[in-house]
Amino acid sequence: EPEVTQTPSHQVTQMGQEVILRCVPISNHLYFYWYRQILGQKVEFLVSFYNNEISEKSEIFDDQFSVERPDGSNFTLKIRSTKLEDSAMYFCASSAAVDASTDTQYFGPGTRLTVL
Amino acid sequence: AQSVSQHNHHVILSEAASLELGCNYSYGGTVNLFWYVQYPGQHLQLLLKYFSGDPLVKGIKGFEAEFIKSKFSFNLRKPSVQWSDTAEYFCAVLPTGRRALTFGSGTRLQVQP
Repeated sequence: EPEVTQTPSHQVTQMGQEVILRCVPISNHLYFYWYRQILGQKVEFLVSFYNNEISEKSEIFDDQFSVERPDGSNFTLKIRSTKLEDSAMYFCASSAAVDASTDTQYFGPGTRLTVL
Repeated sequence: AQSVSQHNHHVILSEAASLELGCNYSYGGTVNLFWYVQYPGQHLQLLLKYFSGDPLVKGIKGFEAEFIKSKFSFNLRKPSVQWSDTAEYFCAVLPTGRRALTFGSGTRLQVQP
């Protein structure tokens, strides 16, 4: 069964550094997402991406975040200047349907980002 | 904005006991509803989903959930749990036409052999 994959599984960085988290969505899927879960808190939506554009984003997704689909298989989340509060588990997800009313999101294993 | 409440944060059951995990949401319009499960060391997996139609939906591994619109609830049930059901369970809501899932805080289920 096809799965969403994410690399790395754990990323440690210094405050102020840029990080790029990578995801390979399921191959025939059209929508891509990033969520995050700060330790002890809920899973929170960051952004959705379709047809090379952001389709929806939350208030968390400010100017320090960006997403890109640099080629036909990868989907990346960039954090330009990391802060301590960016430490979290970041989940990538993908979904197949253009019609949101029947769509299901499938999640990757997550990247644990630790900002020191 | 929508929100999801899972009132049971940690549930401990013996094998063969029945399970019901509560999920309530607040949103004024129509929604799609999901339960995801995260087994230890694994990623979020879809357990079951409700889009429309029969409010009683069946998922994998013997789980089912019932959507009660009047109560804004989507409780998860299983008649007889197994040790392998030990995991964290997340309820999630998706307003119709939107892409952003809103998750509950999760319920950690521990099944003792």
